[in-house]
Amino acid sequence: AQKVTQAQTEISVVEKEDVTLDCVYETRDTTYYLFWYKQPPSGELVFLIRRNSFDEQNEISGRYSWNFQKSTSSFNFTITASQVVDSAVYFCALSEAWGNQFYFGTGTSLTVIP
Amino acid sequence: SQTIHQWPATLVQPVGSPLSLECTVEGTSNPNLYWYRQAAGRGLQLLFYSVGIGQISSEVPQNLSASRPQDRQFILSSKKLLLSDSGFYLCAWNTWGTVNTGELFFGEGSRLTVL
Repeated sequence: AQKVTQAQTEISVVEKEDVTLDCVYETRDTTYYLFWYKQPPSGELVFLIRRNSFDEQNEISGRYSWNFQKSTSSFNFTITASQVVDSAVYFCALSEAWGNQFYFGTGTSLTVIP
Repeated sequence: SQTIHQWPATLVQPVGSPLSLECTVEGTSNPNLYWYRQAAGRGLQLLFYSVGIGQISSEVPQNLSASRPQDRQFILSSKKLLLSDSGFYLCAWNTWGTVNTGELFFGEGSRLTVL
């Protein structure tokens, strides 16, 4: 069965610190997609990144970076030099290819303290 | 560019009253459409999804229903609300293709409080 685990419920960091949000997934599919979403206090979920199971190349986008490791079934998200605007709940999600089922983790609430 | 809009943003309804939440998508054709509910505690629960006009799949048995009268319109309804229907409702869309590969795009959300 598919499952996404975000073991970190809440994290607090001081501004400018680096922080890593963990995501571990379970699936029996050989083709699947992984996603990260940001939910600021306004409530709307904002898409951050998609990764397919055949692409283990890490990705960097500004202060954000993602580390996908199939060997450990993990898709971790690192924010470098955190800012107050990064305060939000972050969700990791898994989907089978071309499917309609998305398996969301329970989210990690990140608070960046100025 | 593609946009998604849902309304109303906030509503307070008495138990037993009806509900109608509406969602529309612009800038794409034949999207998959979804209704999620997020109760306190943050978990996202898939309620309904639709792959085409009139095609609705229900994931959770409940007193809610969904309809898709047009390609880019998705409606969540209830004839009689329960206290347990309170929550944050999110509409989303996606397509699987060369431009979008499955990622969900969410609306602004509708916060429902049933009293």
